[in-house]
Amino acid sequence: DTGVSQNPRHKITKRGQNVTFRCDPISEHNRLYWYRQTLGQGPEFLTYFQNEAQLEKSRLLSDRFSAERPKGSFSTLEIQRTEQGDSAMYLCASSFYPLSTDTQYFGPGTRLTVL
Amino acid sequence: AQSVTQPDIHITVSEGASLELRCNYSYGATPYLFWYVQSPGQGLQLLLKYFSGDTLVQGIKGFEAEFKRSQSSFNLRKPSVHWSDAAEYFCAVGPNAGKSTFGDGTTLTVKP
Repeated sequence: DTGVSQNPRHKITKRGQNVTFRCDPISEHNRLYWYRQTLGQGPEFLTYFQNEAQLEKSRLLSDRFSAERPKGSFSTLEIQRTEQGDSAMYLCASSFYPLSTDTQYFGPGTRLTVL
Repeated sequence: AQSVTQPDIHITVSEGASLELRCNYSYGATPYLFWYVQSPGQGLQLLLKYFSGDTLVQGIKGFEAEFKRSQSSFNLRKPSVHWSDAAEYFCAVGPNAGKSTFGDGTTLTVKP
């Protein structure tokens, strides 16, 4: 068990470009979550999947954001036409539901800088 | 709506001293409560969680937290802080782990 991995760890892009991040959860985990964290704040929930189904999306997730988990394993988060306000750390977490504890395990994050 | 307040943005303690980090929450039902630690360049790590039962919860690395429903609090404590405890600490509340609302964190500095 290697934990949750995220790639890339850092991404610098110019405003208007599209970016895609990948998250590989712990292998037996069926739930996968995406969060955004800006400097000085705690993580904010963006969306989550159970297997391949996207069960909920936060209002923070504008139309420029899309997330997929096509085979119920890894997930991608794409941001189209990036804006400077998208600069943040994007965190992924996974858990096994419906274990009563439903503990999330977080990846190291992808830091996005939009110039 | 659920919310979390961590009143202390930054706390400094001496190594070996005791520590208490405050967390106040707002939630309409019985909450699930969590404390996480985040070190620079590292992901969030769960320290402990409260779902039900005993209101004093033991976690990893010698941390404990006490759920006080009457005060809507879930403060984190450690009797003797080590230099390696320097990090940012987040309290979270929610119906389950995945849809938790996080506080803005408390940064802990440990003086030698």
